[in-house]
Amino acid sequence: GAVVSQHPSRVICKSGTSVKIECRSLDFQATTMFWYRQFPKQSLMLMATSNEGSKATYEQGVEKDKFLINHASLTLSTLTVTSAHPEDSSFYICSATSGTGDLGAFFGQGTRLTVV
Amino acid sequence: AQSVTQLDSQVPVFEEAPVELRCNYSSSVSVYLFWYVQYPNQGLQLLLKYLSGSTLVKGINGFEAEFNKSQTSFHLRKPSVHISDTAEYFCAVRGGSNYKLTFGKGTLLTVNP
Repeated sequence: GAVVSQHPSRVICKSGTSVKIECRSLDFQATTMFWYRQFPKQSLMLMATSNEGSKATYEQGVEKDKFLINHASLTLSTLTVTSAHPEDSSFYICSATSGTGDLGAFFGQGTRLTVV
Repeated sequence: AQSVTQLDSQVPVFEEAPVELRCNYSSSVSVYLFWYVQYPNQGLQLLLKYLSGSTLVKGINGFEAEFNKSQTSFHLRKPSVHISDTAEYFCAVRGGSNYKLTFGKGTLLTVNP
């Protein structure tokens, strides 16, 4: 099946700094990528949808200036958490689709962000 | 809009016993249905999906699910579980051409020896 690689798997950063998470589709062109956030023992909450070459569409309640999403190529999307605070600590997961057929959701391995 | 309800937050079973994880959905449009498994600190792995056709769908690791339109359900089953099946399972729905997934809250399956 299709492979989506997410990096880093774990990151610890200081409060007030920014951290970038990468999501790459390794063997297909991802026209659309999704970013999710998962709180401990809870489900995945969709944060935003990004289409290659376009601005991301954010879900209600998600601060677009805090969670910057870039989808500059068909194989790479990045999520930057700006001015991170401890409450941003969470598990972030990306997924990617080529937009054809039934390819709806190939997921990355996730990134555990801890803000100290 | 779509929604997904996973009725059981936790399901403990003994090894080699059968298991059913329940999922109900609501949608105003035709849907595609998915089951994912998540191991600790990992992403989601697709177990199986229903797009159209046969209502009984077979997936990886011996899992299967049955789509029941009248009951708006998509329950996941396995006839004999292993310790390695211990994980969180998520049911998800996608409506129409929109590729966004709506997830249920998850069911923690714990297989005990």
